[in-house]
Order: sequence, then structure tokens, then C-alpha cells
Amino acid sequence: GIQVEQSPPDLILQEGANSTLRCNFSDSVNNLQWFHQNPWGQLINLFYIPSGTKQNGRLSATTVATERYSLLYISSSQTTDSGVYFCAVLGQGAQKLVFGQGTRLTINP
Amino acid sequence: DVKVTQSSRYLVKRTGEKVFLECVQDMDHENMFWYRQDPGLGLRLIYFSYDVKMKEKGDIPEGYSVSREKKERFSLILESASTNQTSMYLCASSAPGARGNTEAFFGQGTRLTVV
Repeated sequence: GIQVEQSPPDLILQEGANSTLRCNFSDSVNNLQWFHQNPWGQLINLFYIPSGTKQNGRLSATTVATERYSLLYISSSQTTDSGVYFCAVLGQGAQKLVFGQGTRLTINP
Repeated sequence: DVKVTQSSRYLVKRTGEKVFLECVQDMDHENMFWYRQDPGLGLRLIYFSYDVKMKEKGDIPEGYSVSREKKERFSLILESASTNQTSMYLCASSAPGARGNTEAFFGQGTRLTVV
């Protein structure tokens, strides 16, 4: 099945810094989503981005489907951005999302 | 505002008990999913359903069953709870699209502890 790899596994930054999280996938996809898991465990939708670029406030994402990767950018990080960020993909012909292992982001004040 | 609601945020059950985890969505989505999340193992799919009364096994269905009697509700059943089923359980829903399922939305999660 399709493989999803996220990097880096851990990232520690100071408040105000910018960060880039990467998601590589092993095959063509119909769907790609970025989630933020809050401290209570809920997965919060950030982007639904099978291709192209989207922006939402300080967050933006780009998926280059032909090269099988996606990037999540966080600018001017805040302590509330801390948590685990997941990339999940839906392979062609598949019905289930496959998740990467996540990037744990820690923003220190 | 889209909503997937799981019946409990925290649950403690005894070994051997029959456990029901309930999930309700208000988006009229055809597809519903149950995942479990464990440290070091990530999110793994247990079961999914693409229509009322339809179900498909995911990657780790052993020890679980599901029920989908109504479109908005998808129940996960642990027939006889065991300690290795202590985990975070996440329910999701999505709609079918022209190029596969569309955006998935998750509930708040249920932390189940089996003692």
C-alpha cells in the first residue's frame, strides 16, 4: 500500500520563528489532508490539498502531486501552534486515509 | 459548522466487558471510519462503512465489530474488552467524490482504558 513519511519527527522552535513540515508519499493520490492534533487528542482539519497551494492566516500548504510531496508552512509561530501535525493521503482507488507518523512541534515562549 | 461527535471523551472498562463506542455525524456523509491511535504505531484503521448496513474491515479488525443502522451513526463494539485495546479511538466521516472520498472530519476522540 501507499507509504507516507513525514519529516522532521520533532521540531523545537522559539515563538516567532517560521517552520516547514514535509510529507512525502510513495504513489499518486486523490486526496491529501493536513491535521493538527490538539492536546486533548482531536484532529483539527488544516488543509484539504490534493494539489496546488492554499493559505489560511499564518498557515499555508503546497502539494506537488507530480513529485509526491506536500509542505506545511507555519509563520510567526505561537505557543498554541504546539502539538502533532499529521499528513494523511488517499491513494487512487482507495477508500481510507493513510497517515504519516506525524511531526511533533514544540514552540517555546 | 461540520460536526462529528463521539459519545464519550474518557472511558474506563473492565476486562471482559462488552463496550460500545458511539459516533454521530451531522453532515449526511456516506462514509464513516473508526481508527485507533497508539504511541509509536500511529493511526490505524479498524473498520469503515460506505453505506447504511455496509461495513468493511480495515487493517486491524480483530477483536472489534461495528454497526451502522442509520446513516448518521457508526458504532464500534468491543465484544470482550482486553487490556491491549486500551487506546485512543477516533471516528471520522467523509463523502464520496468524483476522484475518491472528499475531505474527512474527525470527532474529538475517546480515550479508552481497559483494566
